[in-house]
Amino acid sequence: KNQVEQSPQSLIILEGKNCTLQCNYTVSPFSNLRWYKQDTGRGPVSLTIMTFSENTKSNGRYTATLDADTKQSSLHITASQLSDSASYICVVSLYNNNDMRFGAGTRLTVKP
Amino acid sequence: DGGITQSPKYLFRKEGQNVTLSCEQNLNHDAMYWYRQDPGQGLRLIYYSQIVNDFQKGDIAEGYSVSREKKESFPLTVTSAQKNPTAFYLCASRDLTAYEQYFGPGTRLTVT
Repeated sequence: KNQVEQSPQSLIILEGKNCTLQCNYTVSPFSNLRWYKQDTGRGPVSLTIMTFSENTKSNGRYTATLDADTKQSSLHITASQLSDSASYICVVSLYNNNDMRFGAGTRLTVKP
Repeated sequence: DGGITQSPKYLFRKEGQNVTLSCEQNLNHDAMYWYRQDPGQGLRLIYYSQIVNDFQKGDIAEGYSVSREKKESFPLTVTSAQKNPTAFYLCASRDLTAYEQYFGPGTRLTVT
């Protein structure tokens, strides 16, 4: 069983709308949680990084939240654009930072 | 893709042949990683290295080999012992004092 579960698996929204992607994890001891954007056929690009003590982090139209008590994170995208169409991957690092657990990703499609 | 290059972007091989994937970084990072990405699954760690001439097996090292003769380079060899080598391979690097991990553009390997 994957220790990092993302939902939904895929999502289709209209341009200009907001959306929220979920990441639940069971791994511990926790070091940090990162969200990445991956365009098809490309390498992932970092969006946000949060440590245990941070509960929100923004990067432009992307806002990530973290609840370390319930082991849940979300990525909120506001005013979506066609270029937001991509897979979004949640990654949780354990204390040594070399042990990283990757979610399977959420595939987002933004339609005009 | 942050100063990490992978070549080639696409690679085709016949079954039974070994193949080497290149990964070079100019970020002066100590740690380098190789991941495999399959549809519907999270990235899985093949090997990682934190220092020249030293590397550690990841979760799916069987059928793969690596070397780290220079800090900038971390080539991955997919051997004929790898049962299902067709996949998208991603290289990453990290400064050991930071959480952020930078990914290369990936190599898509197809073995027939």
